[in-house]
Amino acid sequence: GAGVSQSPSNKVTEKGKDVELRCDPISGHTALYWYRQSLGQGLEFLIYFQGNSAPDKSGLPSDRFSAERTGGSVSTLTIQRTQQEDSAVYLCASSPVGPGNSPLHFGNGTRLTVT
Amino acid sequence: GEDVEQSLFLSVREGDSSVINCTYTDSSSTYLYWYKQEPGAGLQLLTYIFSNMDMKQDQRLTVLLNKKDKHLSLRIADTQTGDSAIYFCAESTTGGSYIPTFGRGTSLIVHP
Repeated sequence: GAGVSQSPSNKVTEKGKDVELRCDPISGHTALYWYRQSLGQGLEFLIYFQGNSAPDKSGLPSDRFSAERTGGSVSTLTIQRTQQEDSAVYLCASSPVGPGNSPLHFGNGTRLTVT
Repeated sequence: GEDVEQSLFLSVREGDSSVINCTYTDSSSTYLYWYKQEPGAGLQLLTYIFSNMDMKQDQRLTVLLNKKDKHLSLRIADTQTGDSAIYFCAESTTGGSYIPTFGRGTSLIVHP
């Protein structure tokens, strides 16, 4: 079956512009996660959606970052007024139920470069 | 300090065993995971272990957990060039709502 799909795979943008990154989770997965992977760093948790509950936004680094998940499926991560330090690979993952013993299934990521 | 720590690089010869180590700080860790990331790809779950277990074996992979020392290791037997990748250790805890916290990853290089 189809895995987690992310688009675009690469995005180059100018500093100050807004970007939208898309994630299509595995069908039927109720939980969706966004992580950021910077060069030489581990995965930094950004935000978590579980069903119809309010998202856990505790990892968002600033108010320029926001995310939504429509209809419990597709999610969009938006970064406003991008800065060079936003350059990273943004990874989306989904899982059948909440975290814990339910493994995360990752997409291939969107590589964002801010010039 | 970081919640999950790993050494950044490991180089082994093809056919040898690889041991990748990880330490974590949260004693309430419930699940501990190993993920593998190949170039240009997302992370793939290799295996995970519950905190009430000491060891888990799955074909060439052996996971050892020392709860007292908060130390987790992944042993890959008969390492092959296809095992070259970045290996991430991760933990999930009750305090963190079980959302996995990842280490920086260990780059495993397998040479002939």
